[in-house]
Amino acid sequence: AQSVTQPDIHITVSEGASLELRCNYSYGATPYLFWYVQSPGQGLQLLLKYFSGDTLVQGIKGFEAEFKRSQSSFNLRKPSVHWSDAAEYFCAVGPAGTGTASKLTFGTGTRLQVTL
Amino acid sequence: EAQVTQNPRYLITVTGKKLTVTCSQNMNHEYMSWYRQDPGLGLRQIYYSMNVEVTDKGDVPEGYKVSRKEKRNFPLILESPSPNQTSLYFCASTALANYNEQFFGPGTRLTVL
Repeated sequence: AQSVTQPDIHITVSEGASLELRCNYSYGATPYLFWYVQSPGQGLQLLLKYFSGDTLVQGIKGFEAEFKRSQSSFNLRKPSVHWSDAAEYFCAVGPAGTGTASKLTFGTGTRLQVTL
Repeated sequence: EAQVTQNPRYLITVTGKKLTVTCSQNMNHEYMSWYRQDPGLGLRQIYYSMNVEVTDKGDVPEGYKVSRKEKRNFPLILESPSPNQTSLYFCASTALANYNEQFFGPGTRLTVL
C-alpha cells in the first residue's frame, strides 16, 4: 500500500533562513509526487509537482523540491523564508498515468512557523 | 474563475440529523473526491467519482454517501451524523488527463454534537 511520511510535525525557522521539509514515500510503482500548502482557514493550494524528467522541480512562491528515487524522498526547499510562508505543508503521492483513478495519499503534514 | 466551491463553510449539528454538504466545480473535471482532515492524520479520502454516475469508496467511507448526477456537482451526505464525523471536509476535482493535479475547495468545518 502506498504511504507518505512527513517526519516533522512542526518546524520553526527565522524569516530569511532556509527551509527544508522532509517527505518520504512508499509506492509500488512510478509515483507522481506533490506538495500542497494550506494557509490558516484556507483550502489546499498546489505548490509543485513531479511527474518525470528533471528531478529538481520548481514551484510557486519560490519553492523547489528534489525527487530522489534511491531514498524515496521528495523534500521541499526554499532558500529564504518569508513570514507569509507560515502554513501547513502536505506531501502527497498518486498513481502515475492519466485517465486512471486519481487517488492521492497524503502525509500528515508539517506545520511551519516563521519567527521575525 | 476556475474554482471548487463548497457549502456550507461551517456547520454545527446534532447527532442523527441528516445533512448534505454540497460541492461544485466549474472546470468540467471528470474526477471529484471528498477528503476529511483530522489533526495528526492528514487528509483521508472518503469517496471519489470518476464521472457521472460512477462513484467508489475511498479509505474512510463508513457513515457517508455521495452521488454524482451531474458532472459539476458531488454532494456529500451524512444520513445520521455522529460526533466522530466532526472534522474538516474538502472537496477536490481534477481532469483525468491532468496527471492527478487536484484542485481543492475551501473546506467545510463540521461539528456534530
